[in-house]
Amino acid sequence: QQPVQSPQAVILREGEDAVINCSSSKALYSVHWYRQKHGEAPVFLMILLKGGEQKGHDKISASFNEKKQQSSLYLTASQLSYSGTYFCRAGGTSYGKLTFGQGTILTVHP
Amino acid sequence: DTEVTQTPKHLVMGMTNKKSLKCEQHMGHRAMYWYKQKAKKPPELMFVYSYEKLSINESVPSRFSPECPNSSLLNLHLHALQPEDSALYLCASSQEGVSGNQPQHFGDGTRLSIL
Repeated sequence: QQPVQSPQAVILREGEDAVINCSSSKALYSVHWYRQKHGEAPVFLMILLKGGEQKGHDKISASFNEKKQQSSLYLTASQLSYSGTYFCRAGGTSYGKLTFGQGTILTVHP
Repeated sequence: DTEVTQTPKHLVMGMTNKKSLKCEQHMGHRAMYWYKQKAKKPPELMFVYSYEKLSINESVPSRFSPECPNSSLLNLHLHALQPEDSALYLCASSQEGVSGNQPQHFGDGTRLSIL
């Protein structure tokens, strides 16, 4: 079952903040976040495994709600380098088949 | 630079040709993956090898044939492809066998065009 991402697209100016959500109708085992720049490979950002977990590095962080049905990715004080498509990848079991969400296109303007 | 290397970067082939895509990683990862990605869409899982054995085949047509000669190499053999198979083909690897708590490392992909 594919997780649902929202919004589909975000346009920001440098320094602004954004939140991207990844939701499922069932509890998830884990949520992974990736960023893919145009013409490049997806790059791993972080994994969340525990309900209520929050983690992050630099100005990009993420949370996983207590019911483990929604994860949010937070980008603060956005930079031009944050532009790209953000995907969550999630699954309901510890084994294998995780599915990518449909992606959120983030564009940061000067 | 990525630690997963894919060759070739671009490939144009006719519908009757046979070609192969190659993927190599030297991180000691034991799971390797093939994905297909169309423009503005997420990667779609095709095959997963775990400890050099095929563990997931997502009902991929037989014109795509994966091969894992050893733990560092993954091939995708192509034969009699259709125009709708034109896409970016991504290879990825993860440390342990297929698991929900392992990050994936992606190669830059092979952009395939079928004439």
